[in-house]
Amino acid sequence: EDQVTQSPEALRLQEGESSSLNCSYTVSGLRGLFWYRQDPGKGPEFLFTLYSAGEEKEKERLKATLTKKESFLHITAPKPEDSATYLCAVPPTGSARQLTFGSGTQLTVLP
Amino acid sequence: EAGVTQFPSHSVIEKGQTVTLRCDPISGHDNLYWYRRVMGKEIKFLLHFVKESKQDESGMPNNRFLAERTGGTYSTLKVQPAELEDSGVYFCASSHRTGLATDTQYFGPGTRLTVL
Repeated sequence: EDQVTQSPEALRLQEGESSSLNCSYTVSGLRGLFWYRQDPGKGPEFLFTLYSAGEEKEKERLKATLTKKESFLHITAPKPEDSATYLCAVPPTGSARQLTFGSGTQLTVLP
Repeated sequence: EAGVTQFPSHSVIEKGQTVTLRCDPISGHDNLYWYRRVMGKEIKFLLHFVKESKQDESGMPNNRFLAERTGGTYSTLKVQPAELEDSGVYFCASSHRTGLATDTQYFGPGTRLTVL
């Protein structure tokens, strides 16, 4: 059965304290791994898509990496405005028209 | 460019009543998706439209849920009659091009449905 597991569930960082979020997945024939950011009361906001192992993408203080079994979202020198829930999602095996989401990591960056 | 919009933002109804949620996708996006997040759970896929045609309804929980997309523009999701377990946040997303999941899906702000 396809699974997307994110860890940790919650993470509290001091401003400037770098860390990484993990997303592990079990799907056959990965056709993309998506990272989204979600603020309270809002919908998921697209951040990155990664397609193949070894691929990396960066946006401001965020860098996403992908291996054959997991993806990491690295946050360098975070600021309070980076506080949000970060979601990863993959298309499930045998389907190209939906996304299976993880439960998310709730990140809090303290000033 | 306007993003995906959803209406209403919140809805509170009694068990047994009917509620209709609306989604307006990004202009030009042929693909429209509905997802749902119930309390404490992950966001779950409900269904997918390509223009006005339902391509995948595998996530629809039961026949109390009816989705339509007349004319291939906006979509509605009707719940009739609503049950307590239908409470949650309903998200709509849209994407361009072929509808393959590798196309980026852009999400709306969601409709929070509370069934009392």
